[in-house]
Amino acid sequence: SYELTQPPSVSVSPGQTARITCSGDALPKKYAYWYQQKSGQAPVLVIYEDNKRPSGIPERFSGSSSGTMATLTISGAQVEDEADYYCYSVDSSGKQSVFGGGTKLTVL
Amino acid sequence: EVQLLESGGGLVQPGESLRLSCAASGFAFSSYDMSWVRQAPGKGLEWVSVISDSGDRIYSADSLKDRFTISRDNSKSTLYLQMRSLRVEDTAMYFCARWANGELPVPFDHWGQGTLVTVSS
Repeated sequence: SYELTQPPSVSVSPGQTARITCSGDALPKKYAYWYQQKSGQAPVLVIYEDNKRPSGIPERFSGSSSGTMATLTISGAQVEDEADYYCYSVDSSGKQSVFGGGTKLTVL
Repeated sequence: EVQLLESGGGLVQPGESLRLSCAASGFAFSSYDMSWVRQAPGKGLEWVSVISDSGDRIYSADSLKDRFTISRDNSKSTLYLQMRSLRVEDTAMYFCARWANGELPVPFDHWGQGTLVTVSS
């Protein structure tokens, strides 16, 4: 079955840049999407189609994708950005969706 | 305002069945694809299934499609998940989520708060 691989944790100080990666074999041809989930809350879409930001998401959130790796970048991370982040995509057939295992971002 | 309200969760024994519902409001439900996503306690998100706006296309996780069935009633603006032969490992929070319309559908632009399913003897 198709898998997306994320690092379990990333830690930065406030104001630094946080980068969270997501690797998958189908990413060269399929979009990546990113979701933020704070403790006890439902996830929130923060990046879609590799690098587009929904309305209401701060400009410090950006996305990119190259080859088999997609990256979520938080420029000038803030304490309120502490959360679990999940990438999402589909396999080469487009019929099986998958989330990455999630990355816990610590900002302190 | 888009609202998704899940219900139907609870405590069931292994082998039993359960049907979850997701009542949608604040948007034209019949025009949007919908999904179920689950999250076991302390674990990551797991995609369960997706159904097209008219209900004519359904895709489900290979590991679940033999036991879980997604459906919808557009006249009631409600999404369903029928779960059969439940196992302890199906214990999770179950979220319904909407796909945004656009040139390409965008997955999960809105989420409900979830309903908790606990499978235990």
